[in-house]
Amino acid sequence: KNQVEQSPQSLIILEGKNCTLQCNYTVSPFSNLRWYKQDTGRGPVSLTIMTFSENTKSNGRYTATLDADTKQSSLHITASQLSDSASYICVVSARLTGANNLFFGTGTRLTVIP
Amino acid sequence: KAGVTQTPRYLIKTRGQQVTLSCSPISGHRSVSWYQQTPGQGLQFLFEYFSETQRNKGNFPGRFSGRQFSNSRSEMNVSTLELGDSALYLCASSRQGNDAYEQFFGPGTRLTVL
Repeated sequence: KNQVEQSPQSLIILEGKNCTLQCNYTVSPFSNLRWYKQDTGRGPVSLTIMTFSENTKSNGRYTATLDADTKQSSLHITASQLSDSASYICVVSARLTGANNLFFGTGTRLTVIP
Repeated sequence: KAGVTQTPRYLIKTRGQQVTLSCSPISGHRSVSWYQQTPGQGLQFLFEYFSETQRNKGNFPGRFSGRQFSNSRSEMNVSTLELGDSALYLCASSRQGNDAYEQFFGPGTRLTVL
């Protein structure tokens, strides 16, 4: 069964600290993995997209890693800011034709406090 | 370049009514996907339209339907509303499809069913 699981469900950190969010998946055959940031009341915004051959991809203070062998990904946020408070959603795409091929995690709710 | 727009942003309906939501994709994007987002279930795929044809469909009842026009604008219709249909409805557009190409989400329509 194609599934995406994220941990932790929620996280509270102090401003300036680093944190790492986890995403484990069982989606097959794998096409790509995406991390989205969703502010409250807004649509998700893409942070990174990684294919099978990519291990690491950065977008400013956000760095995503992918281990296709263990089917795990992480999103590392460096020097957190109050504006990082949001939900972070991991999405895995499968190479399937004629069917729904995107599988979503339920997200990690991050709160950055001063 | 204008982003994905959705109208209306907020909607209140009563059980049994029907509702139509609208989505205008980014200029040049031919694929529009619709998602339902609830706190407990996260993002769930409804359907995808490409060049006026439904290409993929999620596991939602027939009360949920959609269409796409020649200018790529899309509408989603929900008939005989139920309390459980209360959710944030998001649409996302991409150039060719939701697999290989990055999706851009709109701000969503918040539907409340009383």
